[in-house]
Amino acid sequence: SQQGEEDPQALSIQEGENATMNCSYKTSINNLQWYRQNSGRGLVHLILIRSNEREKHSGRLRVTLDTSKKSSSLLITASRAADTASYFCATENNQGGKLIFGQGTELSVKP
Amino acid sequence: GAVVSQHPSWVICKSGTSVKIECRSLDFQATTMFWYRQFPKQSLMLMATSNEGSKATYEQGVEKDKFLINHASLTLSTLTVTSAHPEDSSFYICSATGERTIYEQYFGPGTRLTVT
Repeated sequence: SQQGEEDPQALSIQEGENATMNCSYKTSINNLQWYRQNSGRGLVHLILIRSNEREKHSGRLRVTLDTSKKSSSLLITASRAADTASYFCATENNQGGKLIFGQGTELSVKP
Repeated sequence: GAVVSQHPSWVICKSGTSVKIECRSLDFQATTMFWYRQFPKQSLMLMATSNEGSKATYEQGVEKDKFLINHASLTLSTLTVTSAHPEDSSFYICSATGERTIYEQYFGPGTRLTVT
């Protein structure tokens, strides 16, 4: 079963704008990870944030985690057309490293 | 980063036949491999977890007799879809983790299965 929800389900923006995607989950977690998937391809790991961390940066990516609200957000700044993809959050709890994925956000960045 | 490959990348088979998909970790020892299924425009659903040398653990609702998983070595896991039906058509993705990649799963490129 899915861990939680992502919103929006789809997001369309212009190049240069920022894109924010949100993820909510239901159970306690060890960490939360964000992945990117181009159409018909495998997943690329973007960033991992541990349950005791509140914010993390990697290049143009900024991830926040609020364990009290069981939610996370992924911000992509200064978006590019090449950022067009589906983005998934995934939570890892205490069950042997299993990842439970959110529904995903389909991001379209128009040049 | 660690590399995981899958073979084949796509396969078409007839209803009733069996199909084997391989997942290999190319540059690290994968103590645990995971198998996911993804239907079009949907998220990844975990099917099973396999640890090298032991039986796979299947998620609720996944038929273990239909989706046979073997993890015989630290670099190879196989998923066999037995007696495939059109509803088994999907994108199957594996991931692997090991001592070197303890907090991160590395995903294979996926296998597109079409059952006619």
